[in-house]
Amino acid sequence: DIQMTQSPSTLSASVGDRVTITCRASQSITDLLAWYQQKSKKAPKLLIYDASTLEGGVPSRFSGSGSGTEFTLTISSLQPDDFATYYCQQYNTASTFGQGTKVEIK
Amino acid sequence: QVQLVQSGAEVKKPGASVKVSCKASNYPFTSYGISWVRQAPGQGLEWMGWMATYDGNAKYAQKFQGRVTMTTDTSTTTAYMELRSLTSDDTAVYYCARDMKFAEAYQYWGQGTLVTVSS
Repeated sequence: DIQMTQSPSTLSASVGDRVTITCRASQSITDLLAWYQQKSKKAPKLLIYDASTLEGGVPSRFSGSGSGTEFTLTISSLQPDDFATYYCQQYNTASTFGQGTKVEIK
Repeated sequence: QVQLVQSGAEVKKPGASVKVSCKASNYPFTSYGISWVRQAPGQGLEWMGWMATYDGNAKYAQKFQGRVTMTTDTSTTTAYMELRSLTSDDTAVYYCARDMKFAEAYQYWGQGTLVTVSS
């Protein structure tokens, strides 16, 4: 199975900050990676797929990059609505989620 | 708009089985796969498996092989996930999710079904 490792597990930031979350795969997954946002008790929301393609309706402050084994999700200017938990997901071989990164208010 | 509506919460005893349904609407059901993802209390997302709705072919996470069965009923556009030999570790919210046309990322999700396993 492909393992996905996210870092950090928790991130404290302020509104307006630039935030970066990293996801590493245990083997190459080319660009078959998605990012999701989840707020408490709700189903996850797709933000980015194929590593860097923004899902429709998602604000442009979200961006994704990377290929192979290392990927990043960047929020260019953190907004109050962005405090949530973020997950990466590989879908190159079956599927695996990262363990999540909680973005909390500093 | 696309909707995935799941069945209600369940309480099961250890050793029992549970079958969760996911009713899909407002899109061509057999054109997209359905996956199942679970989330234990306070934990992250865990992929359980995926099913091709047009032919019933399924692939399961190794962890659940032999214990899970995913099926579909194309006449009612409903997907099902059955998990057997339940233990307390299976207490979780179970989600169905629909993939995209050209990517197996999940654009649409059900509302989740809480399965509680307790004696």
